[in-house]
Amino acid sequence: AQSVTQLGSHVSVSEGALVLLRCNYSSSVPPYLFWYVQYPNQGLQLLLKYTTGATLVKGINGFEAEFKKSETSFHLTKPSAHMSDAAEYFCAVIRVYSGAGSYQLTFGKGTKLSVIP
Amino acid sequence: DADVTQTPRNRITKTGKRIMLECSQTKGHDRMYWYRQDPGLGLQLIYYSFDVKDINKGEISDGYSVSRQAQAKFSLSLESAIPNQTALYFCATSERTSGSAEQFFGPGTRLTVL
Repeated sequence: AQSVTQLGSHVSVSEGALVLLRCNYSSSVPPYLFWYVQYPNQGLQLLLKYTTGATLVKGINGFEAEFKKSETSFHLTKPSAHMSDAAEYFCAVIRVYSGAGSYQLTFGKGTKLSVIP
Repeated sequence: DADVTQTPRNRITKTGKRIMLECSQTKGHDRMYWYRQDPGLGLQLIYYSFDVKDINKGEISDGYSVSRQAQAKFSLSLESAIPNQTALYFCATSERTSGSAEQFFGPGTRLTVL
């Protein structure tokens, strides 16, 4: 069964500093991995995803993530934090149910990012 | 206009009451989902539907039921609400493709059960 662990429920960074949000997964098959962002009082939106191919994935708003199979990790980074990056971030992995096409997302518990001026 | 809409956005109800949360989408997607979000727990899948005639239970379906009235509409019902169902509820949609398909989320319904 697939699962996701996000290290750190709260992360604070200074404006302009590196953002690093950690995600480790467990999966018995090659996974599909996602990062979603939730701004206050809004739904989730996709930041980026890894399916196959290049292990460094670039997303919206300057974020990127690197799939490292040997470390079972998919950490999210951004070189320079902006105030507008303050939000909650969720890592997710596909869970494959029985039956063709039965793909479901399993979410981590989320990491709330605060950006200090 | 938003692609995935949810009504109501906020609802306060009392224990034992029946309540329905509604979701509509204009994306033309076949697949629709209901999630529950609790602080510190991430999102948990309640029910999902791959088309109008295909509805499946998720991780936490007890106490909930759903109806897929049309491709564009997917409703979640709490037959007899209880306080531990107080949470933020999200509807989502995705295309009928591989597992890499992105899910698109509505803005959420904040439900409080007193």
